[in-house]
Amino acid sequence: DSGVTQTPKHLITATGQRVTLRCSPRSGDLSVYWYQQSLDQGLQFLIQYYNGEERAKGNILERFSAQQFPDLHSELNLSSLELGDSALYFCASSETGAAGTEAFFGQGTRLTVV
Amino acid sequence: GNSVTQMEGPVTLSEEAFLTINCTYTATGYPSLFWYVQYPGEGLQLLLKATKADDKGSNKGFEATYRKETTSFHLEKGSVQVSDSAVYFCALSPWNTGFQKLVFGTGTRLLVSP
Repeated sequence: DSGVTQTPKHLITATGQRVTLRCSPRSGDLSVYWYQQSLDQGLQFLIQYYNGEERAKGNILERFSAQQFPDLHSELNLSSLELGDSALYFCASSETGAAGTEAFFGQGTRLTVV
Repeated sequence: GNSVTQMEGPVTLSEEAFLTINCTYTATGYPSLFWYVQYPGEGLQLLLKATKADDKGSNKGFEATYRKETTSFHLEKGSVQVSDSAVYFCALSPWNTGFQKLVFGTGTRLLVSP
């Protein structure tokens, strides 16, 4: 158990809909990351937050947004969903967010868009 | 840009065989290098890491050495077990960003038979 909790574990929704994925980081970790794992793109970095502030952005679509709340949990919002958004979405956390520090991953949310 | 190349899988071995999974990277400067493992239905777990040239990361019998001259970070284990069956990801964290952003390889599936 990494200490990172993601909910829900599975999500099935229709095209055009909006969903919210939730992540609770390990106790004491200030930084949260979101990754997308799909068969065709592999593991892609989406976005990083540190202590409530956006720190870095990767290949995140404009239809997607995220935030980190004062209690440090994070949410990833996916809107106007398309079939191609079906993927495993991972949240990770680390203590500082500095390069080279260990990131602990949650078990992921499997999103299926039908 | 930054990228990681891993050998294609699956790698199929018998128990107690020697394992090598090749990983090479492209990056400027001195990235940190990682191996993550993903067991079926689970998130990614950090297996080992190295943060500077010639460093050797090791954990659970696995080893990898940061070779800057060949831009490689090959994973090795002297004697694999059935329980090592999983997908292994090589990753790098760019050195000059000031924040943690992991760039992953495509993953190599390892299948170990009794």
